[in-house]
Amino acid sequence: EPEVTQTPSHQVTQMGQEVILRCVPISNHLYFYWYRQILGQKVEFLVSFYNNEISEKSEIFDDQFSVERPDGSNFTLKIRSTKLEDSAMYFCASSEAGGRMYEQYFGPGTRLTVT
Amino acid sequence: LAKTTQPISMDSYEGQEVNITCSHNNIATNDYITWYQQFPSQGPRFIIQGYKTKVTNEVASLFIPADRKSSTLSLPRVSLSDTAVYYCLGDPGAGSYQLTFGKGTKLSVIP
Repeated sequence: EPEVTQTPSHQVTQMGQEVILRCVPISNHLYFYWYRQILGQKVEFLVSFYNNEISEKSEIFDDQFSVERPDGSNFTLKIRSTKLEDSAMYFCASSEAGGRMYEQYFGPGTRLTVT
Repeated sequence: LAKTTQPISMDSYEGQEVNITCSHNNIATNDYITWYQQFPSQGPRFIIQGYKTKVTNEVASLFIPADRKSSTLSLPRVSLSDTAVYYCLGDPGAGSYQLTFGKGTKLSVIP
C-alpha cells in the first residue's frame, strides 16, 4: 500500500535556527497538508497546498512558516526562526483530491525539539 | 465551526464490542461524518466515513441516526492493538478541506 514518508523522524535544533521538514506524499495525490501536534494536545491544521500554491492556512501558519514543492515528489515545511513553542510532532498528509470526503493519508511524523 | 463532543476515555476488555458515540449538533447538511484513529507516536489514520444510516468496512461500523446530530463508531471484538485515540471530526466550515481534530476518545483495551 502506498504511504506518505517523512524525514527526519526526529530533529533537534536550537532556538532561532531554521529547519526544513521533508515529506514525500503519495505519488498520484494532488493535495498536500501539514499538521502539528504539541505533546499531549490535539492535532492542529497548519496549511494545505494544491497546484503549487497554498489553498488554506491556519492562524498558526504565520510568516515564519513556508511550504514548497521543490520537485515532483517532495513537499517541505520550513520554519525560519524556531521558537521553543514550535516543539511538536509535525505530520504531513496527502489526498487524491480536495474535500472532506477524500481520505487524508498521514505520514509517521517528524518530532521537532527546539532547545 | 461545528463542534463535536465525545467521551475523553473508555476502557474495554479484549474481545468485547466497543461503541464510541460522538455528538455533532451543528453538522452541516452536506457534511460527511468522519472518524480517524491515532496510535501513540503515529499519524492519524482514517477509519470510516458516512453520511447517514449505517456504513461498515473491514475495521468498523458507523451508525448515524436520521437527524445526524450524533454518530456511533462500533469496533467489533477489540484486541490490545486497538488501543488508540479515536477522533470524530468536526466540520471546519464551507470550502475548507482541513481536518479538525478534537481531543478524541482514548480507548484502552485491557487483556
